Amino acid sequence: SQTIHQWPATLVQPVGSPLSLECTVEGTSNPNLYWYRQAAGRGLQLLFYSVGIGQISSEVPQNLSASRPQDRQFILSSKKLLLSDSGFYLCAWTNLAGQYNEQFFGPGTRLTVL
Amino acid sequence: AQSVAQPEDQVNVAEGNPLTVKCTYSVSGNPYLFWYVQYPNRGLQFLLKYITGDNLVKGSYGFEAEFNKSQTSFHLKKPSALVSDSALYFCAVRPSYSSASKIIFGSGTRLSIRP
Repeated sequence: SQTIHQWPATLVQPVGSPLSLECTVEGTSNPNLYWYRQAAGRGLQLLFYSVGIGQISSEVPQNLSASRPQDRQFILSSKKLLLSDSGFYLCAWTNLAGQYNEQFFGPGTRLTVL
Repeated sequence: AQSVAQPEDQVNVAEGNPLTVKCTYSVSGNPYLFWYVQYPNRGLQFLLKYITGDNLVKGSYGFEAEFNKSQTSFHLKKPSALVSDSALYFCAVRPSYSSASKIIFGSGTRLSIRP
């Protein structure tokens, strides 16, 4: 079966510090991977998605970047955090080759920027 | 523009009563439709989906949803609510031609079940 991991679970960082959030998927190959941000426990905003190693698409201009160094690893980064980067960050995967149409979500990372 | 609307921010239901969480969508082509549930400080859990076929789809935890093409709706239903159903529910749509299988999410509806 497939599983998706995110770490850390929670993070408190000062403004201006760097950020690295990691997401890994097990039990599937060549997944599509996604990073979302959820503010105030409501709607989801798609930040980045990737259809393969090294292939990153950005949905919104922002202070964040993403990388996919391995097939099942997706990293969200920032060089200098802003207060507005606070939120709940969710990673998700899907795999059309496995005939999944839905996305499956990780447990999330709660980021607080002070 | 393609979109998903959940017109109710909050739905309050007494335990044991039926519940409905509303969703309408606006996409071109044949949509794939989904419902997810989110408990506090957790990721989204997939509940059910409509791809094709029978308009009434059944999912996890006794939930079901009915696809209505003429009304472009996909309302979530459960015959008898439980207190443990209290959570945040998201409707989502994926156009059949969506690049990279991107999904459009509604703004969410908070379901509160009172004992």
